[in-house]
Amino acid sequence: AQSVTQLGSHVSVSEGALVLLRCNYSSSVPPYLFWYVQYPNQGLQLLLKYTTGATLVKGINGFEAEFKKSETSFHLTKPSAHMSDAAEYFCAVSGPSGGYQKVTFGTGTKLQVIP
Amino acid sequence: SQTIHQWPATLVQPVGSPLSLECTVEGTSNPNLYWYRQAAGRGLQLLFYSVGIGQISSEVPQNLSASRPQDRQFILSSKKLLLSDSGFYLCAWSAGSNQPQHFGDGTRLSIL
Repeated sequence: AQSVTQLGSHVSVSEGALVLLRCNYSSSVPPYLFWYVQYPNQGLQLLLKYTTGATLVKGINGFEAEFKKSETSFHLTKPSAHMSDAAEYFCAVSGPSGGYQKVTFGTGTKLQVIP
Repeated sequence: SQTIHQWPATLVQPVGSPLSLECTVEGTSNPNLYWYRQAAGRGLQLLFYSVGIGQISSEVPQNLSASRPQDRQFILSSKKLLLSDSGFYLCAWSAGSNQPQHFGDGTRLSIL
């Protein structure tokens, strides 16, 4: 079965600093990978997705992620943090287990942006 | 464009009472539909998913059930709520396999 591990349940960065949120996946075949963001008391919003093709994926709000098969990683980055980026971020994977209908989510990383 | 509606936004129920949460999707046909529960620090737990009318897959044996009476309607129910049913419930839809999921705004359920 596929799974994802998010390293660090809480990450703090200064406003204007680099944001790096880590995600490692486990899948027996090349997976489909997603990053979502959740603001308090709201649903999850898709930031970006990797399916096939280009390994560097650009998403909304200036975020991007790079699929590295050799490292089984899909880390999320943003060059310069903004106060509005403070939220919880979830990495997710879809794969053959469950017929690609199901998505398995990580436990989330809460991003704090310090002014 | 597609939209997903989930209600109510908050709900306070006594232990032992029934539950019905509703989710509807507009602007698409034959979506995959999902119910999740979110607990603090534990990510999202998939409860049920459906790939078509009347087709429900249960992921976790529990006090809850789901139904899909119409193509774009997904209902989460319980006959008798437990304290452990408290949480944030999210409905989501996707266009099919390998497609990203799109979430409703959630229902905060508190059991007293």
